[in-house]
Amino acid sequence: DIRMTQSPASLSASLGETVNIECLASEDIYSDLAWYQQKPGKSPQLLIYNANSLQNGVPSRFSGSGSGTQYSLKINSLQSEDVATYFCQQYNNYPLTFGSGTKLEIK
Amino acid sequence: EVKLVESGGGLVQPGRSLKLSCAASGFNFNDYWMGWVRQAPGKGLEWIGEINKDSSTINYTPSLKDKFTISRDNAQNTLYLQMSKLGSEDTAIYYCARTYGYFDYWGQGVMVTVSS
Repeated sequence: DIRMTQSPASLSASLGETVNIECLASEDIYSDLAWYQQKPGKSPQLLIYNANSLQNGVPSRFSGSGSGTQYSLKINSLQSEDVATYFCQQYNNYPLTFGSGTKLEIK
Repeated sequence: EVKLVESGGGLVQPGRSLKLSCAASGFNFNDYWMGWVRQAPGKGLEWIGEINKDSSTINYTPSLKDKFTISRDNAQNTLYLQMSKLGSEDTAIYYCARTYGYFDYWGQGVMVTVSS
C-alpha cells in the first residue's frame, strides 16, 4: 500500500495568514493526488485534484502543488470558514489511501 | 444538483450483517464509477472500494474484500454496500461518493454502530 504521511497534524494560524500543509507519498504517485476539506460534522469536500487542479466552486485562495512523492496544499489569506481538517489522498495505486489529516484552527 | 443520500445504518450486533444504500440524483448515474469510504469516530478516512459503470469491475481494499460487497442498480440509481461479519472495528460513518479515483461528490454519511 502507498503510505501518505501528512504534516503537520495540527496547525494554528491567524486570519489573513498563508498556511501550507504537506503530504509525502511512500512512492511516486505521478500527481494522482487530491485534497479534501472536512468541516466538523460534515462530509469531506474536494478542493484539489491532479495535484494542482482547483475543483469548481472552490475559492482561488486554495492551491495545490507538487510532483513525485511530495505535495502541498496552500491556503492564502486564511478565513474563519477555513477551520476544518484537511486530508490528502492518492489514487495512483490500489488500495486508494488517505493521509491522516491536518486540523486547522484560527489563532 | 448532484445529491447522494445514504441510508440503512444503525446499531447492529457483532457478527451480524447490514446493507447500506446510496440513492443518487442530479446526474446520469450510469455514467460514473461510484465508491464507498468510511470514517471511524474521530479518525481519518478509509477507502472501502469502488464499482464501475456496469458492475463489471469492483475493487476493494484488501482487508475488507471478504467481508464487504459493493453493488449497484442503475435502473434505481442506487449504490449498495453489503457488510457481513461485522465487528466493533467496523463502527464508523459510511460515505458513498462519486469517483474518478478522487471523489468529487460525497453523501452526508450514515452511521453504523456495531455493539451488543
